Amino acid sequence: GQNIDQPTEMTATEGAIVQINCTYQTSGFNGLFWYQQHAGEAPTFLSYNVLDGLEEKGRFSSFLSRSKGYSYLLLKELQMKDSASYLCAVLKSGGYQKVTFGIGTKLQVIP
Amino acid sequence: EAGVVQSPRYKIIEKKQPVAFWCNPISGHNTLYWYLQNLGQGPELLIRYENEEAVDDSQLPKDRFSAERLKGVDSTLKIQPAELGDSAVYLCASSPGMGELNEQFFGPGTRLTVL
Repeated sequence: GQNIDQPTEMTATEGAIVQINCTYQTSGFNGLFWYQQHAGEAPTFLSYNVLDGLEEKGRFSSFLSRSKGYSYLLLKELQMKDSASYLCAVLKSGGYQKVTFGIGTKLQVIP
Repeated sequence: EAGVVQSPRYKIIEKKQPVAFWCNPISGHNTLYWYLQNLGQGPELLIRYENEEAVDDSQLPKDRFSAERLKGVDSTLKIQPAELGDSAVYLCASSPGMGELNEQFFGPGTRLTVL
């Protein structure tokens, strides 16, 4: 099976930086996704990491350490619209690659 | 390009009644997923199709849930009979194809309430 852990809730201030952590335990690891989900809406893709290191995409960056089973999503210059749930999802290799989602971290951005 | 289409968006039924959800994936996407999402939780995979073949239905409660994807395009998920615990959002997602790294594109979901 797979264990994916991420904080359930976080609060941060508009304009600040926030880091959302995700740890996982799995065999056959083949990458990690981050998705954003606004309340009542569908998840939307943010990033994918398969190699160790940092991937930067505008205000959002994602980091992966395969040896530590650890990833984080970094959000800079927070905006009110960034208030959402952030889902960490692990891709497991196999004949048909399988994605398993964590419970999500609900981020509230306050003025 | 149109996204993943799902209908209905909302459904309220009484327990023991049947219910069906429909999904039309993005054109050309061979892989289709049905997920269940409870409030405050991440999506949980129910079934995954590669074209018309169900390649992972290990999490589908087969005593009451069924799904089909005839012709490998749109798909229907059915629950019969529905139970109170089935109240959740049912998400459909699609991705281009097997063997590639595929981000999933999600539809808006169907919010089911079982009374």
